[in-house]
Amino acid sequence: GAVVSQHPSWVICKSGTSVKIECRSLDFQATTMFWYRQFPKQSLMLMATSNEGSKATYEQGVEKDKFLINHASLTLSTLTVTSAHPEDSSFYICSARPTGAETEAFFGQGTRLTVV
Amino acid sequence: GQNIDQPTEMTATEGAIVQINCTYQTSGFNGLFWYQQHAGEAPTFLSYNVLDGLEEKGRFSSFLSRSKGYSYLLLKELQMKDSASYLCAVLDSNYQLIWGAGTKLIIKP
Repeated sequence: GAVVSQHPSWVICKSGTSVKIECRSLDFQATTMFWYRQFPKQSLMLMATSNEGSKATYEQGVEKDKFLINHASLTLSTLTVTSAHPEDSSFYICSARPTGAETEAFFGQGTRLTVV
Repeated sequence: GQNIDQPTEMTATEGAIVQINCTYQTSGFNGLFWYQQHAGEAPTFLSYNVLDGLEEKGRFSSFLSRSKGYSYLLLKELQMKDSASYLCAVLDSNYQLIWGAGTKLIIKP
């Protein structure tokens, strides 16, 4: 099946610093990618939908200036958590939708972010 | 509003059968997914139903009734490795995935 690579798998950073998470579709093109956050024992919460070549669409309550999303190519989207704080510690997961396949989505492995 | 309901937690015995239910109310419907998620890992795809009926795939089966806004995931011959959270998600009219909170399945020997 289609593979989505998310990097890094885990990261520990100091409060106030920025962290970049990459999401790559390895064997297909993805016009649309999704970024989720998941707190312990909770379901996935959609943060934003990123579309190649245009601005991301953020869900209500998600600060676009804090969670910067760039989708510069059909195989790569990045999420940058700026000025990270301990409350940003969470499991971040991306999924990629193959271009033209509205009913499919493939998940990356997830990134465990811990802000100390 | 959009809503997906599934039980928070279920317990079953190794070798037995368990059915996890999911009811939904969404703006439009373009299919329903079931995902399995082990702790600390990303979800993995189990099934996709867009037409009414039962889809069987090995030990796992998924059923959909669009008129009732209802689906279930049936797991047979349970194994310890099936202990995980099972997430129900509906693709709405905008092709946006609406997620349930997940059902934590505990398998006992």
